[in-house]
Amino acid sequence: ETGVTQSPTHLIKTRGQQVTLRCSSQSGHNTVSWYQQALGQGPQFIFQYYREEENGRGNFPPRFSGLQFPNYSSELNVNALELDDSALYLCASSPPQGLRNEQFFGPGTRLTVL
Amino acid sequence: DAKTTQPTSMDCAEGRAANLPCNHSTISGNEYVYWYRQIHSQGPQYIIHGLKNNETNEMASLIITEDRKSSTLILPHATLRDTAVYYCIVRPLNNNDMRFGAGTRLTVKP
Repeated sequence: ETGVTQSPTHLIKTRGQQVTLRCSSQSGHNTVSWYQQALGQGPQFIFQYYREEENGRGNFPPRFSGLQFPNYSSELNVNALELDDSALYLCASSPPQGLRNEQFFGPGTRLTVL
Repeated sequence: DAKTTQPTSMDCAEGRAANLPCNHSTISGNEYVYWYRQIHSQGPQYIIHGLKNNETNEMASLIITEDRKSSTLILPHATLRDTAVYYCIVRPLNNNDMRFGAGTRLTVKP
């Protein structure tokens, strides 16, 4: 069984640019959540996708947007990058009606904005 | 904002039990206590969760006080590989929005 995968592993962008991060959920998982983790802090919830629709959002501006595809993979898009967007971006998938409601995290994409 | 309070860091000797406390004094009746850990350069990993009864699995034990305002994660025989940041999270079972705090950095020493 393949776990959650994310691409790319590392990325360097400059301020004002746009970035797209990708996530493949674990097989059979239909819910994907995205988190931002700044250095030395815990992950912060960005949003969640379920059945290709946004299903909850944290305190992030609209320039953070996402997509979920029919195969449950997902993208996180960030427009007009700012220096403070430098962080580890984590994707987590969840199985349908899981008894533990456990989230399975990928290894993350480290984004550096210069 | 996270609804939990944890010590910033703790040390534990290898082979001894590691007891990680968490305060969640504003927990609601439908909220569970979840524990995750994050080993350096990896994504967080689920450890255990519970509502009001003590729970045990192959990784750890979770002790929740009777008033549910605090809990303790117990790693019975800590190993060097248990060195990680441990997060205590409270949330309803059907809510995928997890609010992480800063967690406790556990260092297991030889």
